Amino acid sequence: QVTLRESGPALVKPTQTLTLTCSFSGFSLTTSGMCVSWVRQPPGKALEWLALIDWDDDEYYSTSLKTRLTISKDTSKNQVVLTMTNMDPVDTATYYCARIPPPGKYYSGMDVWGQGTTVTVSS
Amino acid sequence: QSVLTQPPSASGTPGQRVTISCSGSNSNIGSNYVFWYQQLPGAAPKLLMYRNNLRPSGVPDRFSGSKSGTSVSLAISGLRSDDEADYHCATWDDSLNGPVFGGGTRLTVL
Repeated sequence: QVTLRESGPALVKPTQTLTLTCSFSGFSLTTSGMCVSWVRQPPGKALEWLALIDWDDDEYYSTSLKTRLTISKDTSKNQVVLTMTNMDPVDTATYYCARIPPPGKYYSGMDVWGQGTTVTVSS
Repeated sequence: QSVLTQPPSASGTPGQRVTISCSGSNSNIGSNYVFWYQQLPGAAPKLLMYRNNLRPSGVPDRFSGSKSGTSVSLAISGLRSDDEADYHCATWDDSLNGPVFGGGTRLTVL
């Protein structure tokens, strides 16, 4: 059974750095074509893709946020970590991680999602 | 402002057929597969359709997808009350080099 679970702080202050961890089971990020993606959703708004990392260590970032984002993986721990710097109240959202299975990001949708973690940015 | 354009709302009565549209451009829908996600109230999105018109295991055949040029549609036939949800289209954008989403369509079953 494939599962993903997001974890991180529920509240961060403006200008702080947010670090979120996606812990997953039931698959390996060393499998050819496998990817993990981060997506967020501000309250009442649309889904917004943030970043993606694949089995080959290739990283992809939202063009509007790329200067603030870093995605990394630890295959031994089955984790993907997303950091977002210089947090602002407009970054208040539910943050999801999701799996993209082989054959890969062009062909497969995000087939399993975590439950999401809500992050509020406020002083 | 989302890269893909969806109507903000749609509605239908039980048993009806409804369609939800999603339009983009040559750099996204026009040259890549499209995916649809269903998001029930308070829940995470769920993959509903992949590669334009394929259903993951467990998704009923009441749901169907089609694509024409730079637009796609999701059709739901035999509408049920538990279809009430937000529906999001998504695809890869070659110019942005990443996935893009539509603004989402809230489906109400009257």
